Amino acid sequence: SAVISQKPSRDICQRGTSLTIQCQVDSQVTMMFWYRQQPGQSLTLIATANQGSEATYESGFVIDKFPISRPNLTFSTLTVSNMSPEDSSIYLCSVEDWGAGGAYEQYFGPGTRLTVT
Amino acid sequence: ILNVEQSPQSLHVQEGDSTNFTCSFPSSNFYALHWYRWETAKSPEALFVMTLNGDEKKKGRISATLNTKEGYSYLYIKGSQPEDSATYLCASHRGGAQKLVFGQGTRLTINP
Repeated sequence: SAVISQKPSRDICQRGTSLTIQCQVDSQVTMMFWYRQQPGQSLTLIATANQGSEATYESGFVIDKFPISRPNLTFSTLTVSNMSPEDSSIYLCSVEDWGAGGAYEQYFGPGTRLTVT
Repeated sequence: ILNVEQSPQSLHVQEGDSTNFTCSFPSSNFYALHWYRWETAKSPEALFVMTLNGDEKKKGRISATLNTKEGYSYLYIKGSQPEDSATYLCASHRGGAQKLVFGQGTRLTINP
């Protein structure tokens, strides 16, 4: 299984500022995913990032608010722009791999806990 | 829209007791059902991925069953230990693609 690290692990930011979250994987992967979990809510997919193409955003998420970079097969960044308190969440990156269970499995980083004041 | 529901949202169990909780999902166009354990400040850890109706998987004291026709899965923990305290997430694939849709999780606390 892939080993994924994220930076920062947590941050407290002022509204109106931006934060870039980094995700590093220990192996080359085609697809990387960015999720967020707002307090009391489900893990929600923000976007899928493929190397060499534009990220694909889910309904309710836009590139201007959550720009994503995917410069190579082991690294991606998610920026949370012009933050408001509603952006306070845990942000996770994940990758997928074909598992022994006969289906794609997703592996997650430890998350970035963001608080916007 | 694929809705994945988990119940209960939180659960307190005495150490040594057994417990179970539920994940329900739309049964149409089912691809796979995943269970994760998520401890605070750690990565969600994959427990099981289940694909076939009637599947039953086991990992130590934890097991899971799957009913794809009626759209539910149960997770069982036998003889709960304090280290079992975590949020347990289930997730189903949407429309057979690799995009997971998660439930809200069941937050389990084991009281010593």
